[in-house]
Amino acid sequence: SQQGEEDPQALSIQEGENATMNCSYKTSINNLQWYRQNSGRGLVHLILIRSNEREKHSGRLRVTLDTSKKSSSLLITASRAADTASYFCATGGFGNEKLTFGTGTRLTIIP
Amino acid sequence: GAVVSQHPSWVICKSGTSVKIECRSLDFQATTMFWYRQFPKQSLMLMATSNEGSKATYEQGVEKDKFLINHASLTLSTLTVTSAHPEDSSFYICSALWARRGRTGELFFGEGSRLTVL
Repeated sequence: SQQGEEDPQALSIQEGENATMNCSYKTSINNLQWYRQNSGRGLVHLILIRSNEREKHSGRLRVTLDTSKKSSSLLITASRAADTASYFCATGGFGNEKLTFGTGTRLTIIP
Repeated sequence: GAVVSQHPSWVICKSGTSVKIECRSLDFQATTMFWYRQFPKQSLMLMATSNEGSKATYEQGVEKDKFLINHASLTLSTLTVTSAHPEDSSFYICSALWARRGRTGELFFGEGSRLTVL
């Protein structure tokens, strides 16, 4: 079963614009992670935010976490064509905790 | 970062045959590996947790006799799709947990294996 629901399901923007994706989850968490998947490829870990953190940055990525609303957002600034991919939030994944993925957002950057 | 290799990256087989997919951690030992299935334009669904030296733990609804998992060494887990049918056609992805002493374990993903059953 999915832990997270993401919206939008698909997003197309012009190169250079910012892209925002949202993730909502159901149960309490210790951390939340974001992954990228290029078409037909494996997953690349982007960023992890812990439950006691509200915001985290990594390069052009900005992740926020609101545990009261059980939601997270991923912002990609100054998008590039190479950012075209599917993005998934995921919870768990440490120790023996299963990693459970959200439904994903398909991002298309239009050159 | 650590590398996880999956083989084959794609395979086409006839209905009724069995297909084996390998997942190897190339530069670390992984006592735990995970197998996921992903249908087109959908998310990854966990199939089973593979534990070195013991039986795999399957998620609800996943047939263990259909999807055989063997984790015989600390660097290799295999998924065998037995008597494959067209509905088994999917993208199968493994991940390996690198647990280092004193550090939180990290997951590393393979590049996936696309199975097409004719």
